[in-house]
Amino acid sequence: KQEVTQIPAALSVPEGENLVLNCSFTDSAIYNLQWFRQDPGKGLTSLLLIQSSQREQTSGRLNASLDKSSGRSTLYIAASQPGDSATYLCAVRRVNFNKFYFGSGTKLNVKP
Amino acid sequence: NAGVTQTPKFQVLKTGQSMTLQCAQDMNHEYMSWYRQDPGMGLRLIHYSVGAGITDQGEVPNGYNVSRSTTEDFPLRLLSAAPSQTSVYFCASSRQGDTQYFGPGTRLTVL
Repeated sequence: KQEVTQIPAALSVPEGENLVLNCSFTDSAIYNLQWFRQDPGKGLTSLLLIQSSQREQTSGRLNASLDKSSGRSTLYIAASQPGDSATYLCAVRRVNFNKFYFGSGTKLNVKP
Repeated sequence: NAGVTQTPKFQVLKTGQSMTLQCAQDMNHEYMSWYRQDPGMGLRLIHYSVGAGITDQGEVPNGYNVSRSTTEDFPLRLLSAAPSQTSVYFCASSRQGDTQYFGPGTRLTVL
């Protein structure tokens, strides 16, 4: 079974700081990995999707990398803003399985 | 384009009652799934479907039933509600291997 871990569980940073969120998974036979943002009481919003053949994806101030061999992905947020405060979750889909496995998330607080 | 819609937004049930959570998408996605989200445990897959008439179990299927008669709709049925099913339920859809889109969720409390 695929296990997905996100560390730290919570992170508090001052506005303007660059930061990295981590996601690790136990089975490297993945189809793709997706990063989501969840605001309190809301659903999940997709941020970036990385296919297994890709090393990274970028969208605005966000950059996600994928290293299948080490079972790791990172989400880099540049010049953080208070509006970035949310819980960030990663999810992996295994090869030949139509199942997605989620980490428990990192709760980010960006202080003005 | 409404995306993924879920009803109801909130529901309170008594132990033993049954109900159906509704999920619909208007993006013609073949893949749909149901998750539950509990504090500190992330999202766990309950059931999923890769197309009309095809469903399969996820990690935590016990106590839940699904069917998929159309591409658009994927209802989740609680057969006999238990307090352990108190949770937030999310429906998601995607094209095969592509970005998942989530609904706003249903908050369910079982007394």
